[in-house]
Amino acid sequence: GAGVSQSPSNKVTEKGKDVELRCDPISGHTALYWYRQRLGQGLEFLIYFQGNSAPDKSGLPSDRFSAERTGESVSTLTIQRTQQEDSAVYLCASIPTTGTGLAKNIQYFGAGTRLSVL
Amino acid sequence: QKEVEQNSGPLSVPEGAIASLNCTYSDRGSQSFFWYRQYSGKSPELIMFIYSNGDKEDGRFTAQLNKASQYVSLLIRDSQPSDSATYLCAVEASGGSYIPTFGRGTSLIVHP
Repeated sequence: GAGVSQSPSNKVTEKGKDVELRCDPISGHTALYWYRQRLGQGLEFLIYFQGNSAPDKSGLPSDRFSAERTGESVSTLTIQRTQQEDSAVYLCASIPTTGTGLAKNIQYFGAGTRLSVL
Repeated sequence: QKEVEQNSGPLSVPEGAIASLNCTYSDRGSQSFFWYRQYSGKSPELIMFIYSNGDKEDGRFTAQLNKASQYVSLLIRDSQPSDSATYLCAVEASGGSYIPTFGRGTSLIVHP
């Protein structure tokens, strides 16, 4: 597609339920990131995928959070037993990692999924 | 702990003025610096990137980098109301790390 696509755009769930968020990166982008952005806050790194390498999960806040990515395609972020503090916008970004200079590190963001846990 | 600090603002400037946004970082090994703009309710989009000391200009935007003092700034000349947004500074370390550290962003308001 032309850009990074995320779904759903909005998700309202009850505390304790599991949710799954989806990210479809730009075709050809080998690296993919998940971030969390709470209201009025900056971007909090969650997880990073690069090709077929083991993901960097150092930003996941708890074992309730997990993510998968098959090859260089779609990624899903799963939050189990959601809590009210999980309410935030979850942003996905992809980068080319090919090309010249810093252009290969430019992050292209999706529109995000706004998660509300009641 | 790598830290990127930005004044949260809001920074309010009149239309036509120069807006100056600042960012400091803690990791001396940082090599690459990015400025993203985020409109309210939207996702961030790249404004500029810089990796060499000095100034880099692109239209009304100028990025300034001083590695010795560990700060990077973004100047917006002839500010327009459409520039009103949150500006995020992102810093990447050396060694091929592709995981940036983002600041919390500075809210800029350009009033007519």
